[in-house]
Amino acid sequence: AQSVAQPEDQVNVAEGNPLTVKCTYSVSGNPYLFWYVQYPNRGLQFLLKYITGDNLVKGSYGFEAEFNKSQTSFHLKKPSALVSDSALYFCAVRDRSYNTDKLIFGTGTRLQVFP
Amino acid sequence: DSGVTQTPKHLITATGQRVTLRCSPRSGDLSVYWYQQSLDQGLQFLIQYYNGEERAKGNILERFSAQQFPDLHSELNLSSLELGDSALYFCASSVYLAKEQFFGPGTRLTVL
Repeated sequence: AQSVAQPEDQVNVAEGNPLTVKCTYSVSGNPYLFWYVQYPNRGLQFLLKYITGDNLVKGSYGFEAEFNKSQTSFHLKKPSALVSDSALYFCAVRDRSYNTDKLIFGTGTRLQVFP
Repeated sequence: DSGVTQTPKHLITATGQRVTLRCSPRSGDLSVYWYQQSLDQGLQFLIQYYNGEERAKGNILERFSAQQFPDLHSELNLSSLELGDSALYFCASSVYLAKEQFFGPGTRLTVL
């Protein structure tokens, strides 16, 4: 079965510092990986994806993610955090089963950026 | 704005009742997905439709059903509601087997 794990329930970082939100995956075959962000009382917003190609993927709002096949990881990163980045972040993998491309989500990591 | 719309935004109802949640996908997207977000279960896939046909079912209760209409909008029907059905219900759409899914703002269901 395919899955993703987000080992940290919460990440705290000071504004201006780099941030990392961790994600590891377990899939058979090549993974299609995604990061989404959820602000309070809002839907999920797509940040970035890895399908194939470069291991460093750039996305919205200055975020990037590094795909590491040997470590089965897809960590989300940003060089300089903003208070406005505070939100709930979800890593997801696309199910590769026959006839569906549904997303399987991690449990989410709450990012808190302090001024 | 993702282009996916959901109505209503909030729904408060009583146990045993039936409700219908509505979703309009982005223009041109044929695939619609329903997800449930709750504190104890996290984000769970419920069901997927593609161009009017059911494609996949996830952890969807027998009391729940859905359909996708010819104009591609979708409805999720929840019946015999229980307290534990209180959750945020998201609809997403995409071009099938391509790229990312785009999520609507969700419907927050509260069962009293």
